[in-house]
Amino acid sequence: DADVTQTPRNRITKTGKRIMLECSQTKGHDRMYWYRQDPGLGLRLIYYSFDVKDINKGEISDGYSVSRQAQAKFSLSLESAIPNQTALYFCATRGETDTQYFGPGTRLTVL
Amino acid sequence: GESVGLHLPTLSVQEGDNSIINCAYSNSASDYFIWYKQESGKGPQFIIDIRSNMDKRQGQRVTVLLNKTVKHLSLQIAATQPGDSAVYFCADLGGSQGNLIFGKGTKLSVKP
Repeated sequence: DADVTQTPRNRITKTGKRIMLECSQTKGHDRMYWYRQDPGLGLRLIYYSFDVKDINKGEISDGYSVSRQAQAKFSLSLESAIPNQTALYFCATRGETDTQYFGPGTRLTVL
Repeated sequence: GESVGLHLPTLSVQEGDNSIINCAYSNSASDYFIWYKQESGKGPQFIIDIRSNMDKRQGQRVTVLLNKTVKHLSLQIAATQPGDSAVYFCADLGGSQGNLIFGKGTKLSVKP
């Protein structure tokens, strides 16, 4: 969905490096989410935010941190990347309904 | 704990046939269910959703059926087309944090 954008789309990094993945949305939604997708495991929730001052840990938050800089921006950071954080990362937004809208994803490889 | 799973990891159908993708959920308190389509290299795309007070909902060429008695959800795609080839995920708004719980996905392949 072009209303939710993610940068970068692909990133290769080394163990121990700090990485930031960015998400922007033009939907005007208050709620934003970060998910991780691994083969055979579906999507798992890392962090979510209901508004700029409300950030919550998801199912697999260890090793990650987030920042909600504005209603439209939600960033995910890996403070010290490790190989098992190699995955597809998706940002999603949600408005007044329960439907979540996903960005195109970031493919992260940690060597 | 809560979980959402799929019966079959892969499904191959002939173009023009109908497709049925199944999903089981475990949280009997779940009141919202959603199907996503994910094409290669793209993010999940919303297809259709249904609330627990309904047992059927139709969209354009797609129908979702909900059987609360056996906690089963299915997605039916009519006259399947090559463009329908993708991985299909069901999800359940039954997470302890009010979040979506996703199944592992079914890969649908459409043979011409």
